[in-house]
Amino acid sequence: AQSVTQPDIHITVSEGASLELRCNYSYGATPYLFWYVQSPGQGLQLLLKYFSGDTLVQGIKGFEAEFKRSQSSFNLRKPSVHWSDAAEYFCAVGDNTDKLIFGTGTRLQVFP
Amino acid sequence: DGGITQSPKYLFRKEGQNVTLSCEQNLNHDAMYWYRQDPGQGLRLIYYSQIVNDFQKGDIAEGYSVSREKKESFPLTVTSAQKNPTAFYLCATNRGSYNEQFFGPGTRLTVL
Repeated sequence: AQSVTQPDIHITVSEGASLELRCNYSYGATPYLFWYVQSPGQGLQLLLKYFSGDTLVQGIKGFEAEFKRSQSSFNLRKPSVHWSDAAEYFCAVGDNTDKLIFGTGTRLQVFP
Repeated sequence: DGGITQSPKYLFRKEGQNVTLSCEQNLNHDAMYWYRQDPGQGLRLIYYSQIVNDFQKGDIAEGYSVSREKKESFPLTVTSAQKNPTAFYLCATNRGSYNEQFFGPGTRLTVL
């Protein structure tokens, strides 16, 4: 069965520092991979996605993620974090069943 | 303006009452989903529908019911059989490629 693991429940960084959020998945074939962001009390917004091709994908708000098949990972990165990036981040994996499996999320706190 | 509308934003219910959450979309997407979100547990799939007049149970369907009479609408009823209904409920759609899902703003249900 598919699964997604986000090992970090809560991360705190200073504004301007770099960021990496970890995501590991379990799936037999090449998965469809997503990162979503959620502000408190809001819905989820898609940051970026990977289907095939170039393993480094660019998203909105200056985020990028790299698909590493050998490590079953899809980590999210940003070179310089802004205070407005404070939110909860979810990694998700999909296959050919029209469903997504979500990780439990990583809460990002940004200090000025 | 295309999008997903969920209403109401906040909903309060007494124990033993059924309540219906609305989800409407004008994206012309075939598939629609209902998720439940609890702190620290990510998103869990309640029900999904890939086409009008058809729907499937997700991972936590007990105590919930849905209907899909129109492509644009996928209401969720939380019945009195749901033992712990207080949560944040999210509706999503899928435009049919690679499982990319789009989310509504959510409804917070509180049982008093």
